[in-house]
Amino acid sequence: GAVVSQHPSWVICKSGTSVKIECRSLDFQATTMFWYRQFPKQSLMLMATSNEGSKATYEQGVEKDKFLINHASLTLSTLTVTSAHPEDSSFYICSARDSSGPGYFITDTQYFGPGTRLTVL
Amino acid sequence: AQTVTQSQPEMSVQEAETVTLSCTYDTSESDYYLFWYKQPPSRQMILVIRQEAYKQQNATENRFSVNFQKAAKSFSLKISDSQLGDAAMYFCAYQESDKLIFGTGTRLQVFP
Repeated sequence: GAVVSQHPSWVICKSGTSVKIECRSLDFQATTMFWYRQFPKQSLMLMATSNEGSKATYEQGVEKDKFLINHASLTLSTLTVTSAHPEDSSFYICSARDSSGPGYFITDTQYFGPGTRLTVL
Repeated sequence: AQTVTQSQPEMSVQEAETVTLSCTYDTSESDYYLFWYKQPPSRQMILVIRQEAYKQQNATENRFSVNFQKAAKSFSLKISDSQLGDAAMYFCAYQESDKLIFGTGTRLQVFP
């Protein structure tokens, strides 16, 4: 259980184009999904929190007009990198929070997708 | 702001031996979650173990166990009977409400 998929696993695009990355929770519903960015040999940096049916919450320093997030259903969130430039090249990882469980004590564990490597030429 | 510190950039262990990875964190909250995630060369983040701060008992998952010292804000991971497949980056993470805050990671090498 608790499987999260990402598509595509890698993408190469030309500078100035837009790229969409999909994140799906396959066997659970996720009202909240998260998008991270990871540079080589570094830790994960949270970019934004995606809530189903509402606007995403972006971390300080992340351009919301550049990184468009849509969370249209309980199992799908998308990240669109608009007008991509070489400095946007990175490894993008999504996670989905399993919010199952009764009452106040939710499981609150994030399960991660396999990541998407974006290379902008 | 909450911070997570992993002071060991690299660790190594002999196969079948035991290794402990260190993690400290800073918070003023009393209710939170702590996690250890493993990231192998495939870069897939894999949940290793989690600990709820309100639980005094240390979490255990097969060969993986933690030493959770709430007062000291310490959360170390012990890997027993190390296997070659344990080689990976290990990230300690703190979670309060929604956000996960990761440490900088410890690269674990396992030698046969």
